[in-house]
Formats: sequence, C-alpha cells, structure tokens
Amino acid sequence: GNSVTQMEGPVTLSEEAFLTINCTYTATGYPSLFWYVQYPGEGLQLLLKATKADDKGSNKGFEATYRKETTSFHLEKGSVQVSDSAVYFCALSGYTGANSKLTFGKGITLSVRP
Amino acid sequence: NAGVMQNPRHLVRRRGQEARLRCSPMKGHSHVYWYRQLPEEGLKFMVYLQKENIIDESGMPKERFSAEFPKEGPSILRIQQVVRGDSAAYFCASSPGLAGGPYEQYFGPGTRLTVT
Repeated sequence: GNSVTQMEGPVTLSEEAFLTINCTYTATGYPSLFWYVQYPGEGLQLLLKATKADDKGSNKGFEATYRKETTSFHLEKGSVQVSDSAVYFCALSGYTGANSKLTFGKGITLSVRP
Repeated sequence: NAGVMQNPRHLVRRRGQEARLRCSPMKGHSHVYWYRQLPEEGLKFMVYLQKENIIDESGMPKERFSAEFPKEGPSILRIQQVVRGDSAAYFCASSPGLAGGPYEQYFGPGTRLTVT
C-alpha cells in the first residue's frame, strides 16, 4: 500500500535560516504529492502540491520538487520566519475514486525563534 | 464563501456514551473525507463519502463507528459507546469530486473529542 515517511522532528531554527524537511514515499502508479501545514488549534491548509514527476510546487517562499527517481518530495525554504512555526505534513493521493484519499506522513513540528 | 465547517469544536463524552461529529462541506463540494489524528501521530484516513453513498470505508474501525452524508444536511461521523482510545482530533475535508482530478481537499478546523 501507499506510505509516506518524514524525517524525525521537532526542528528548531533561528529566523532567516534555511529549511529542509525530507519526505519520501512509496506508492503504486503515479501519485500526486502535497505539503500541508497545521497551525496550533487549526485544521490543515494546503501549502503546495505537485501532480507529476519533475513538477515543482511553490507557495509563500516554500518549494518542493516531485522526484520520481528518488521517490522524494522534500520541502525547502530559503529564509524562515517566526510565523512559519507550525506542523508540516507530507501527503500523497491517487487521482479519483477510492484512490483520492490522502495518505499522510507523521508530521514534523517546526519552531522558529527570533 | 464559507469554508468547511465542523461542530462541535470540542466534545467531551464519558465512556459508553455516543459522540456525533458534524461536517458541512464547502459550497459546491459533494465529496467528504474523514480523518483522525491521534496524539503524536499523523492523520489517518477513515472514510470517504459522496452524497448518500459511501465510497471507501477501509479506514473505519469495524465496530462502533459509522458515517453518513445524506442528500440534505451535513455529514455525520458517529461513534457509539466511546472508549478512552477514541480521544483524538477528527478532521473533515471536502472536495468538488469532479472528473479529471485530483482536486485539493479543503480541511475543516476539526473536532477534538475527549473521552473521560
């Protein structure tokens, strides 16, 4: 079955530091890949997505590239801010029907200190 | 345009009681997904519904849990005879569900269930 593996956390960075959060996946076929962010006490918000190999998703300074050869979708940001402190989830899904459900990694907590 | 709405936001039940969690999808969305987030774990898929139809319930525990999405009204996740292990955050997500996906799933704020 499908699975997503994220690097262990938590991660603590100083403001303006470079961020990398690793994500690898196992799936049949050609899944779509997502990064979701969850702020304290809130639901999940889609941060970015990529639907095919070599696609790059980007939003709010965050980027991730769909690497089929390494089955990875690592999240990066060049300069983090305190407001980026949240829990980040990597996820995948198929296209339609029963395959459209999301499979999530365990999530990683990012804390950015001023 | 209102987002996905869930209520209640917090629910406390004693062991053995029933819990009913409601989810109203975004306007125009006809597909609903329920996920559960246990402490220190990621989100796990529970069930996927269209109006009046369960598409995939492979993530639902076999006993005590049920879900519906009637023609009119919100989707309901029902947990009968709750136990302490049911304490978790339950999230609902909706999508348009049209052909030619995949479509983004929009999440509600969640219902945090505490069983005492």
